Amino acid sequence: SQKIEQNSEALNIQEGKTATLTCNYTNYSPAYLQWYRQDPGRGPVFLLLIRENEKEKRKERLKVTFDTTLKQSLFHITASQPADSATYLCALDMKGSGGSYIPTFGRGTSLIVHP
Amino acid sequence: EAGVTQFPSHSVIEKGQTVTLRCDPISGHDNLYWYRRVMGKEIKFLLHFVKESKQDESGMPNNRFLAERTGGTYSTLKVQPAELEDSGVYFCASSLTTVMYFGPGTRLTVT
Repeated sequence: SQKIEQNSEALNIQEGKTATLTCNYTNYSPAYLQWYRQDPGRGPVFLLLIRENEKEKRKERLKVTFDTTLKQSLFHITASQPADSATYLCALDMKGSGGSYIPTFGRGTSLIVHP
Repeated sequence: EAGVTQFPSHSVIEKGQTVTLRCDPISGHDNLYWYRRVMGKEIKFLLHFVKESKQDESGMPNNRFLAERTGGTYSTLKVQPAELEDSGVYFCASSLTTVMYFGPGTRLTVT
C-alpha cells in the first residue's frame, strides 16, 4: 500500500543552523509534493509545492528538493529562528476513488529551534 | 480576503448525541475538503466536494457521517450518533487548484 513517512521524533536545532526535514514515500509516483507548516491549535499553512519534473524549489529561507528515484523530498530551513518552531507536514497527491487527486499527509515532524 | 472559517472551534458532546460542524470556504474556491486528525495520527482525508457535488467520499468512516455543501458555498459535516472514536480535530480546507487553505479546525470531544 502507499505510505508517506516523516521522522516521528522531534528535531531540535540551535538558532542560526539549517534544519533539514525528510519525507519518504513508497509505492507511488506523485505528480507533485507539498510542504505545510502547522502550529498548535491551528490548521496547516501552505509553504511550498514542487512538481515531479522539478529537482529543487526555493522561497526565501526555505528550500525543497524532490528525488523521484529515491522517492524522497527534503525540506530545508536555513538560518533557522525560534519562530520556525512548528510541525512540518508533507503531502502527496494520491488518486482517490472518485478519480481526483487528493492531497494525502504524512504525520509531520516537529521542529524546535533553540535560541 | 477572509480565510476559511470553521464553527464551532470546540464541541464536547456525549456519546450518542448529534453534532454538526460548519465550514465556510474562501469565496470562489470550488474545491472543499474535510480532513480529520485523531490524536497521535496523521491528518486523514474524509471527503472532497467540487462545488456542491461530492467528488470523493472514500475517507468517510461510516454512515454516521453526513456531509453537505449547500449551493456550492458553505459545508456541514454531521455526526449522528457520535461515538467515542469520533473525537479528534476536524479540518476543512478549500482550494482553487492544488494549494489548500485550511481553517483552524473544530476540536470534537465525545465523552
